[in-house]
Amino acid sequence: NAGVTQTPKFQVLKTGQSMTLQCAQDMNHEYMSWYRQDPGMGLRLIHYSVGAGITDQGEVPNGYNVSRSTTEDFPLRLLSAAPSQTSVYFCASRISPATVDEQFFGPGTRLTVL
Amino acid sequence: DAKTTQPNSMESNEEEPVHLPCNHSTISGTDYIHWYRQLPSQGPEYVIHGLTSNVNNRMASLAIAEDRKSSTLILHRATLRDAAVYYCILRDVMEYGNKLVFGAGTILRVKS
Repeated sequence: NAGVTQTPKFQVLKTGQSMTLQCAQDMNHEYMSWYRQDPGMGLRLIHYSVGAGITDQGEVPNGYNVSRSTTEDFPLRLLSAAPSQTSVYFCASRISPATVDEQFFGPGTRLTVL
Repeated sequence: DAKTTQPNSMESNEEEPVHLPCNHSTISGTDYIHWYRQLPSQGPEYVIHGLTSNVNNRMASLAIAEDRKSSTLILHRATLRDAAVYYCILRDVMEYGNKLVFGAGTILRVKS
């Protein structure tokens, strides 16, 4: 298993540009989520999904869209990038939303918005 | 979400045991205690979790107070590779999606 994969690893955007961060998992996990981590801080939940076709907002959803058309993929879209969205983005998955099993994290995407 | 309190940082010598404390005085009966750690420039990784009883796995041990208002993550022999940020997190199994909510964590430094 590749686990949780994220692309790209690094990205630089200009203010106002849009882009999609990709996240995929090959473990047939129902639950997937996106976090952002600003320098020196803990992770904050952006959006999560308890299964294909179902998404919900986390703590900091503004400026981001998600969709979950397949079990494997959970892309995060930045609609109009702002410097405040400069951060490291982590995707995570776990087998079920209803259990307290281990959550697996991807390696992260480092995004800089100029 | 029930809150946890951890020291900002701790220091340990290599090959000595490390006890990382966590206070969670408002824990509810359906909250599981989870520990994750984040090595430099990596995503978080699962360490251990428990509900009421002490737990052991290949990475660490989790000691949970009888009243569940505090817990301690024990690394039996710290190595340089254990230098990381350690997060103590409560997860309510009854909550929709039972989200993993991170605090600031404890920065563990290991000296050789």
